[in-house]
Amino acid sequence: DQQVKQNSPSLSVQEGRISILNCDYTNSMFDYFLWYKKYPAEGPTFLISISSIKDKNEDGRFTVFLNKSAKHLSLHIVPSQPGDSAVYFCAASDEDYQLIWGAGTKLIIKP
Amino acid sequence: DTGVSQDPRHKITKRGQNVTFRCDPISEHNRLYWYRQTLGQGPEFLTYFQNEAQLEKSRLLSDRFSAERPKGSFSTLEIQRTEQGDSAMYLCASSSDYTEAFFGQGTRLTVV
Repeated sequence: DQQVKQNSPSLSVQEGRISILNCDYTNSMFDYFLWYKKYPAEGPTFLISISSIKDKNEDGRFTVFLNKSAKHLSLHIVPSQPGDSAVYFCAASDEDYQLIWGAGTKLIIKP
Repeated sequence: DTGVSQDPRHKITKRGQNVTFRCDPISEHNRLYWYRQTLGQGPEFLTYFQNEAQLEKSRLLSDRFSAERPKGSFSTLEIQRTEQGDSAMYLCASSSDYTEAFFGQGTRLTVV
């Protein structure tokens, strides 16, 4: 049973518009959430994180929102740029070492 | 420091052979993780070291898999008697107590 779900395998967004990537989780014990970005033939790169005591965290063009009651988080990228085209993974943790990952969403930014 | 380094980047092996992968973490990181990723899936946790101690192993890690981190620096992951189902990307990551995990570029294993 998947504890972290990214239900959209892919998403296509016009350059300059907002990209919204979604992630749902089932384990209410998760208290830390991360987004990683992955280019082909490279390892995942950390993007942004959020603790369960917050509902929003912002870093430049990237904002992560957490809705604990809905067990849902989302990553907003504004404005979207061609270099944002990649696979985005959502990950969650209730321990200090083990991350549980979603299957990823492939983001395609169209010119 | 150039980040987490994994070697080799690619490995093709015949079924039944043994393979060993190496990971060099970021030098000041005390934590080291191994993950396995197959196409269309997120990384799956395999094992975790804090310094030289292996603190956690996933049940995904069968008896054919063994990992070491002898001096608390680099780590090796060995797969004995490889099977076609072992074909995957093997990712290593490291972190300190206060940072997120930084990943290497991975070792892509193909078992033929």
